[in-house]
Amino acid sequence: QQQVKQSPQSLIVQKGGISIINCAYENTAFDYFPWYQQFPGKGPALLIAIRPDVSEKKEGRFTISFNKSAKQFSLHIMDSQPGDSATYFCAASTGNEKLTFGTGTRLTIIP
Amino acid sequence: NAGVTQTPKFQVLKTGQSMTLQCAQDMNHEYMSWYRQDPGMGLRLIHYSVGAGITDQGEVPNGYNVSRSTTEDFPLRLLSAAPSQTSVYFCASSPQGFGYTFGSGTRLTVV
Repeated sequence: QQQVKQSPQSLIVQKGGISIINCAYENTAFDYFPWYQQFPGKGPALLIAIRPDVSEKKEGRFTISFNKSAKQFSLHIMDSQPGDSATYFCAASTGNEKLTFGTGTRLTIIP
Repeated sequence: NAGVTQTPKFQVLKTGQSMTLQCAQDMNHEYMSWYRQDPGMGLRLIHYSVGAGITDQGEVPNGYNVSRSTTEDFPLRLLSAAPSQTSVYFCASSPQGFGYTFGSGTRLTVV
């Protein structure tokens, strides 16, 4: 059972454009929603995280939008750059318990 | 600080063999986890620990054992390797269960 559903599986965006990756969850007990970035041959690295008491969190070019009623959250990458090309994973957890990951989105930024 | 160190980086096993994947962290983190990453399936939690002497099962624990005798080390044991255990394994640690730091992974092939 996939508790965190992520889409799209792959995404191609032109340099300077906005990349948007979406995730949906079922477990209303989830209260921590991080995004991880992974480059080939490396482990995932924490990019940005949000808790459900806010609807948006921004760090530089990266923004998480959170819709508690729809049980959805998304990652927006503004002014996308070739260096942003990587695989992105959303995740969710209850308190500080087990982290459940989405299936990942391979993002490619083209010149 | 070295962060999270995983050894070996690559390993080939024959079906039925056993082995231990090593994981060590030097950040004095209480929480440690093991994940496996398979194409199209994201990262799935195998086992995790919230402190020395305390471990619990994740989503896919069958065929794996763990122990946590010290804060620094969290080895993962494959009891009798099967081709279905061919995967990339990641160890991660966190001070409080949030914001995990991942190692660089062990790529395991079982033939």
